[in-house]
Amino acid sequence: EAQVTQNPRYLITVTGKKLTVTCSQNMNHEYMSWYRQDPGLGLRQIYYSMNVEVTDKGDVPEGYKVSRKEKRNFPLILESPSPNQTSLYFCASSPMTSGSREQYFGPGTRLTVT
Amino acid sequence: GENVEQHPSTLSVQEGDSAVIKCTYSDSASNYFPWYKQELGKGPQLIIDIRSNVGEKKDQRIAVTLNKTAKHFSLHITETQPEDSAVYFCAAMETSYDKVIFGPGTSLSVIP
Repeated sequence: EAQVTQNPRYLITVTGKKLTVTCSQNMNHEYMSWYRQDPGLGLRQIYYSMNVEVTDKGDVPEGYKVSRKEKRNFPLILESPSPNQTSLYFCASSPMTSGSREQYFGPGTRLTVT
Repeated sequence: GENVEQHPSTLSVQEGDSAVIKCTYSDSASNYFPWYKQELGKGPQLIIDIRSNVGEKKDQRIAVTLNKTAKHFSLHITETQPEDSAVYFCAAMETSYDKVIFGPGTSLSVIP
């Protein structure tokens, strides 16, 4: 089944404790992206990647890191989480070579930082 | 940079009526405008999209119109059904940069 998977789905952590949210897709998509969703603000893009070893900042990159060492994986790293990073996070992937720009979203990761 | 506004933020309609959601964008270089539907507890899912070289696109009960001059685009849902109840997001994208800006979302409730 074609899908985007994220782990964990729920995470409660404390300020300053490094964490990684994994994202993996099995559709051989070139493009991958991370978003955070907050009430009233919609989806805001954190980082995106158009290919292996190529990453670019979205609208809200501060406090986050990403890497794209393999085509299928795009982990989101919070080196020193803070309470304002409490949010619902979505990973998405999209083909680029086929001309389509449809993004396929994962199920989301709800992160709480205390 | 690009900014996308979306109205209304909430919308209630009777089953069978039409629903219209409007978005405006600021960057004239944007050339791709998708609409996503997000059901409770799930990730968003594409329902329809339009490119800047097209003024209107229709898929069964869903249609999108684009006015490039005015920089706005709209989602039209006809003959609404309870299963159309969800949050809808518009977005704008300049495809050579692949940076996507989403609107804040519209919560649609279809009352049986």
